[in-house]
Amino acid sequence: QVQLVQTGAEVRRPGASVTVSCRTSGYTFTNFDINWVRQATGQGLEWMGWMNPNSGNTYYPQKFQGRVTMTRDTSISTAYMELTNLRYEDTAVYYCVRAFRGTAFGGHIDYYLHYWGQGTRVTVAS
Amino acid sequence: QSVLTQPPSLSAAPGQKVTFSCSGSSSNIGNNYVSWYQHFPGTVPKLLIYDNDQRPSGIPARFSGSKSGTSATLVITGLQTGDEADYYCGAWDSRLNVMFLGGGTKLTVL
Repeated sequence: QVQLVQTGAEVRRPGASVTVSCRTSGYTFTNFDINWVRQATGQGLEWMGWMNPNSGNTYYPQKFQGRVTMTRDTSISTAYMELTNLRYEDTAVYYCVRAFRGTAFGGHIDYYLHYWGQGTRVTVAS
Repeated sequence: QSVLTQPPSLSAAPGQKVTFSCSGSSSNIGNNYVSWYQHFPGTVPKLLIYDNDQRPSGIPARFSGSKSGTSATLVITGLQTGDEADYYCGAWDSRLNVMFLGGGTKLTVL
């Protein structure tokens, strides 16, 4: 079965960096995008970007550009998300998610967040 | 403020029907498929609906989705207290090349 297993909780000081790993199994790692989504306390889900594990191509929304980097190690079917220059408001639970991507007739994009990791709590505190 | 607009909260009694709305634009909902996610606080979000109206295996038929123009709808019938959760819509935006998630709607079952 498809599984995404993330690293445990992390605590960092403001200005530091954190890397969350996402070890996958049960499918061919390079065939499906990995997305990262976070939820800060009391807030909704926030999409942080996607990575194509085959090509390594990534896309980050403007809010995270310059601070987030998504990478992968195909030899161990693992994805990574690094967030730098941490702020108090980055305190959140971070999820890696395997997505489905398809293109239907007419160019309509079929993209949804299918399998979720268990989440990693990142706390930014001084 | 999310590009996909959802009401922040809804409430209904057990056994009733509740309808969630998600409003977008031609670059996302209008031309691409919509998905819905259920999130109980403290747990992992779950895919509820994909391809506008398809249910993954294990999702009861009480949950249904639809799309019309630049808006999408999630309906839960036979509401149960265990349905109390946050519900998010999602769609790819072809203009910005990003996945958008709505702000979420908190369902309270009275």
